[in-house]
Amino acid sequence: QVQLVESGGGVVQPGRSLRLSCAASGFTFSSYGMHWVRQAPGKGLEWLAVIWYDGSNKYYADSVKGRFTISRDNSKNTLYMQINSLRAEDTAVYYCARDAAMGPRGFFDYWGQGTLVTVSS
Amino acid sequence: DIQMTQSPSTLSASVGDRVTITCRASQSISSWLAWYQQKPGKAPKLLIYQASSLESGVPSRFSGSGSGTEFTLTISSLQPDDFATYYCQQYNSYSLGLTFGGGTKVEIK
Repeated sequence: QVQLVESGGGVVQPGRSLRLSCAASGFTFSSYGMHWVRQAPGKGLEWLAVIWYDGSNKYYADSVKGRFTISRDNSKNTLYMQINSLRAEDTAVYYCARDAAMGPRGFFDYWGQGTLVTVSS
Repeated sequence: DIQMTQSPSTLSASVGDRVTITCRASQSISSWLAWYQQKPGKAPKLLIYQASSLESGVPSRFSGSGSGTEFTLTISSLQPDDFATYYCQQYNSYSLGLTFGGGTKVEIK
């Protein structure tokens, strides 16, 4: 069965960097586009970034462009998100999500359980 | 950016009720709209994609309709498991970004 397991979250000081990981299993990871979505405590969902199945294309939300970098290692079945210059408003649960196709199509058929990032001094 | 506006933000209903949630886009998104259900502490679950296509395994009491800028999610007969928060999401264009609506919490009346 499809499994996505995020890791790398925790309490981080403002201005520091963090790399989140998402380990995928149960499907051919290299055949699917992948996304990161976050949810601040008690708030709604915010799409952050997408990466094509082969890493050839990446798109970001305007709110994180320049600070966040999505990447993947298909040999390790792992998706990453590098977050630099962390701010208090980056505090959220970060989800990785599988796109419905390699294209990718732009909606998410499987989600991980999320990893909480708390930015605080 | 394309803005997505959901209404209502909260809805109180009883088991067996027919429930309708509306999602409006700030510009036309054709039928590039998905609906998700999220329960507290859990990841969202895909219900509907391309405005009206039911995801595999999702009960048929869920349905979606609409195109252009106005969309609806309907639950034909609300079940106890359906009390949750529902989000719409547009996927019209990566260059404009993907965006979610603000969510609709369906509560027990």
